[in-house]
Amino acid sequence: DVKVTQSSRYLVKRTGEKVFLECVQDMDHENMFWYRQDPGLGLRLIYFSYDVKMKEKGDIPEGYSVSREKKERFSLILESASTNQTSMYLCASSLSELYEQYFGPGTRLTVT
Amino acid sequence: AQSVTQLDSQVPVFEEAPVELRCNYSSSVSVYLFWYVQYPNQGLQLLLKYLSGSTLVKGINGFEAEFNKSQTSFHLRKPSVHISDTAEYFCVAKNTGFQKLVFGTGTRLLVSP
Repeated sequence: DVKVTQSSRYLVKRTGEKVFLECVQDMDHENMFWYRQDPGLGLRLIYFSYDVKMKEKGDIPEGYSVSREKKERFSLILESASTNQTSMYLCASSLSELYEQYFGPGTRLTVT
Repeated sequence: AQSVTQLDSQVPVFEEAPVELRCNYSSSVSVYLFWYVQYPNQGLQLLLKYLSGSTLVKGINGFEAEFNKSQTSFHLRKPSVHISDTAEYFCVAKNTGFQKLVFGTGTRLLVSP
């Protein structure tokens, strides 16, 4: 089975802190994705990566950056956390565009 | 641009009753369609997918969905629900050749005894 793991299930940070969210997949997938999930808005794509060191902006990239130095690992970075970034963050991976995405359990981030 | 509409934000139903969760998408040009389920405090899990071929798609846990091109719909159905089906369900579309998934806003299915 494909496994996508995220470094933390719950995280509390202060405004202005730099925040790292880590995601690791164990199935040699080419593509990895970061979403945020908010009530009533569904999932919105922040960034995705289709290869090591490659990245593409999603629908809401502002305030975020990403890093993919190794194929299995995709990091989401909040350079200076703000309260409006309090959300559930979900990582996903897929083998290619023909295949479904597999999701991690999510990180619930609270910025105070 | 592709969009997905789930008109029902919440669907209450009694155990063993049938259920239909509605989904409409905006563009049927070369579209892939998915239903994902999210149980409380968990990530999303694929229920079923339509890529091509038969318009009736069967998924896990007894769910099925029908691709209707003329009505641009992909409704999810189950003939008899269980308490354990209580979860949030997302309809998702993807245009072929693009990586991005387009999510509906979700429907919360509440199954009571």
